[in-house]
Amino acid sequence: AQSVTQLDSQVPVFEEAPVELRCNYSSSVSVYLFWYVQYPNQGLQLLLKYLSGSTLVKGINGFEAEFNKSQTSFHLRKPSVHISDTAEYFCAVSDSDTDKLIFGTGTRLQVFP
Amino acid sequence: EPEVTQTPSHQVTQMGQEVILRCVPISNHLYFYWYRQILGQKVEFLVSFYNNEISEKSEIFDDQFSVERPDGSNFTLKIRSTKLEDSAMYFCASAGGTEAFFGQGTRLTVV
Repeated sequence: AQSVTQLDSQVPVFEEAPVELRCNYSSSVSVYLFWYVQYPNQGLQLLLKYLSGSTLVKGINGFEAEFNKSQTSFHLRKPSVHISDTAEYFCAVSDSDTDKLIFGTGTRLQVFP
Repeated sequence: EPEVTQTPSHQVTQMGQEVILRCVPISNHLYFYWYRQILGQKVEFLVSFYNNEISEKSEIFDDQFSVERPDGSNFTLKIRSTKLEDSAMYFCASAGGTEAFFGQGTRLTVV
């Protein structure tokens, strides 16, 4: 069975500082990996996804993530955050055999001025 | 840009009542999903739907829940007899390939 672990429930950071949100997954088959962002009182928006190919994936709003198969990780990074990046970030995994997403528990990114 | 639309945005209902949450997926998508997010918790998979039938469902999706695609455009989630613990944000999603697009959600409050 697949699972996703987001170790950090909250990440406070100052504006313009770099940030890394951690995500680890477990799966016995090939996986697709996703990061979604949820702004307050809104739905889920796709930030980026890894399906195959290059392990470094670039997404919207300056975010990127790196797929590391040996460490079963898909950490999300941004070199310089803005106040507007304050949101909940969810890592998700699906495999090539099923059509459902399994989400992690989420990481709340709080950016301070 | 095409989007998934959910109505209503907020539904308040009394315990024991039936509710129907509605979703209009993106028109050429073939896979449809419902997810639930209890306040402050993670997003949980409820059910997936393909080719006019349920393809997978979670243990949360018990006999009180049902889904339907009544007219080829709408995709509905029905909760037959709501309980207090059904209070949550319910998200509909549709997918045409490997990416799922989510609606803005319906906040269900059971009182």
